[in-house]
Amino acid sequence: DIVMTQSPDSLAVSLGERATINCKSSQSVLYSSNNKNYLAWYQQKPGQSPKLLIYWASTRESGVPDRFSGSGSGTDFTLTITSLQPEDVAVYYCQQYYSIPPYTFGQGTKLEIK
Amino acid sequence: EVQLVESGGGLVKTGGSLRLSCAASGFSFSGYNMNWVRQAPGKGLEWVSSIDSSSRSIYYADSVKGRFTISRDNAKNSLYLQMSSLRGEDTAVYYCARDHRAYTYRNCFDLWGQGTLVTVSS
Repeated sequence: DIVMTQSPDSLAVSLGERATINCKSSQSVLYSSNNKNYLAWYQQKPGQSPKLLIYWASTRESGVPDRFSGSGSGTDFTLTITSLQPEDVAVYYCQQYYSIPPYTFGQGTKLEIK
Repeated sequence: EVQLVESGGGLVKTGGSLRLSCAASGFSFSGYNMNWVRQAPGKGLEWVSSIDSSSRSIYYADSVKGRFTISRDNAKNSLYLQMSSLRGEDTAVYYCARDHRAYTYRNCFDLWGQGTLVTVSS
């Protein structure tokens, strides 16, 4: 199974500042035949269901603000939120969908306002 | 409106059974692989099971294999999870989730229900 490890576990950032969350997979999630990374990011606000933010490591889902961006390839990925807003307080998860089953998620990163 | 609505959660005794349902609406349910994901109280997300659009391919997490059964009824736009031999560690909110792309495999999940809470207690 591919193990997904996020860092940090929690993060406090001032409003308007940049937040960076990292995700590392235990093996590459890059599929060479289509050059796509099978890596997604989700946002889960308190009391809500998870919401897809980013897929293919860097493609924003429709309706997601452009202050959210994903980067990385192979085994190392980053979710960046530029200019943090109050509504961005949430837990963020990465997920690999390259080698299934099982689908595996990172342990989550809790983002708070400083 | 495109949505998934889970039902069937509740309090059940250790060793008992429960059947969860997920009603889909607003999209062509029969074209999408579907999934169950759970979240124990205060914990992260754990994939539980997946079923493809035709019910030919079914997968389970090792933690539930042999105890849970996923199924679907495309005529009723519904997904199910039959849970038996329930344990305390099965206590969680159970979400149904849709694959991002129809008629394909290896997708992330783009549509989630609101979840249904299953509590297993002796």
